[in-house]
Amino acid sequence: KAGVTQTPRYLIKTRGQQVTLSCSPISGHRSVSWYQQTPGQGLQFLFEYFSETQRNKGNFPGRFSGRQFSNSRSEMNVSTLELGDSALYLCASSLEAGRLLEQYFGPGTRLTVT
Amino acid sequence: SQQGEEDPQALSIQEGENATMNCSYKTSINNLQWYRQNSGRGLVHLILIRSNEREKHSGRLRVTLDTSKKSSSLLITASRAADTASYFCATVRDTDKLIFGTGTRLQVFP
Repeated sequence: KAGVTQTPRYLIKTRGQQVTLSCSPISGHRSVSWYQQTPGQGLQFLFEYFSETQRNKGNFPGRFSGRQFSNSRSEMNVSTLELGDSALYLCASSLEAGRLLEQYFGPGTRLTVT
Repeated sequence: SQQGEEDPQALSIQEGENATMNCSYKTSINNLQWYRQNSGRGLVHLILIRSNEREKHSGRLRVTLDTSKKSSSLLITASRAADTASYFCATVRDTDKLIFGTGTRLQVFP
């Protein structure tokens, strides 16, 4: 089976712009979660989607949003980018919702905001 | 905010030695998981231990969990250069959110 794929892998944007990141889960996986990783804050949970519904949300401002499509693919959007949004954004998929199951991570999208 | 604090922040050892990493957390959990991350890439799930388990093994990995002390340890035996990576503990609470610790950077020298 192909692993979790994320596109693009690298992205440079300017403050004030908006960005959309994409994640394709492992075939058959219905849950997709997003994480932000920065040197200062570490790995932080953004949100989880299951069956096209947001199931859980972390403590991030409303500029961060996401959605999931019927084929389980997910996108996350960040509007009005700030310098502090520079980070590695990781997507993870699992068979079902709930953390009792292991999560499979993609390689991440490295976003740089200038 | 992060649930777990890991100790040490960084660890350097020679191939063949054992590596021990510790994770402490603040609130009650359903389970605790360990992940490995190579050079800022995606994370790889290593092992999951439930709150009612005390010890678990997987190959060269041994994980312990002490819920009374709110701590866990990951032991990698007979380490290899390929084990060089960052290791994170992650806890699961009732909300099913996966909350990661700060991580331990392990360097294994040939």
